[in-house]
Amino acid sequence: NAGVTQTPKFQVLKTGQSMTLQCAQDMNHEYMSWYRQDPGMGLRLIHYSVGAGITDQGEVPNGYNVSRSTTEDFPLRLLSAAPSQTSVYFCASSYLQSISYNEQFFGPGTRLTVL
Amino acid sequence: QQPVQSPQAVILREGEDAVINCSSSKALYSVHWYRQKHGEAPVFLMILLKGGEQKGHEKISASFNEKKQQSSLYLTASQLSYSGTYFCGTPPRGAGSYQLTFGKGTKLSVIP
Repeated sequence: NAGVTQTPKFQVLKTGQSMTLQCAQDMNHEYMSWYRQDPGMGLRLIHYSVGAGITDQGEVPNGYNVSRSTTEDFPLRLLSAAPSQTSVYFCASSYLQSISYNEQFFGPGTRLTVL
Repeated sequence: QQPVQSPQAVILREGEDAVINCSSSKALYSVHWYRQKHGEAPVFLMILLKGGEQKGHEKISASFNEKKQQSSLYLTASQLSYSGTYFCGTPPRGAGSYQLTFGKGTKLSVIP
């Protein structure tokens, strides 16, 4: 099993550009999520999904869109990149039963810089 | 609301012990602990649940005090491999929550 994979590993964008960060998992997890990590801020939840076709907002959703058309994939879209979105982005997945009770498996991360 | 971790950073020599604390202003249902090495993804350590149940992969000791709304992670006889940043996470809406709110982390450095 590859676990949780993310592409690309690194990306540089100009302000106003759009892009999609890819995330895939092969563990048949119902729950998937996106976090951003900024220095000294910990991990902050952007969006999450409890299954195909079902998504919801986390703590910091502004400027990001998600969709979940399959169990395996959960892409994160930046509509119009801003320097404030410079961060490391982590995708994670888990069994749905209850996120309160289950461990999350994190992908290797995407380091995004917006100039 | 973000849980508060203390200390923010700690430096240990191999073999020394450390305690990392995680506290919340809200009632806790569970506390999740993760460790992140520099440049890598966070890795699950354990979950402590209300009622005393624990779930984890490593032989790491931790406590969960429901009344104090606090959890502590005990790292004994530290090894170089323990170095990293430790995060605690709590479900903001209790049981059945689909979100985790993480603290800002505690950076642990173990030196020879």
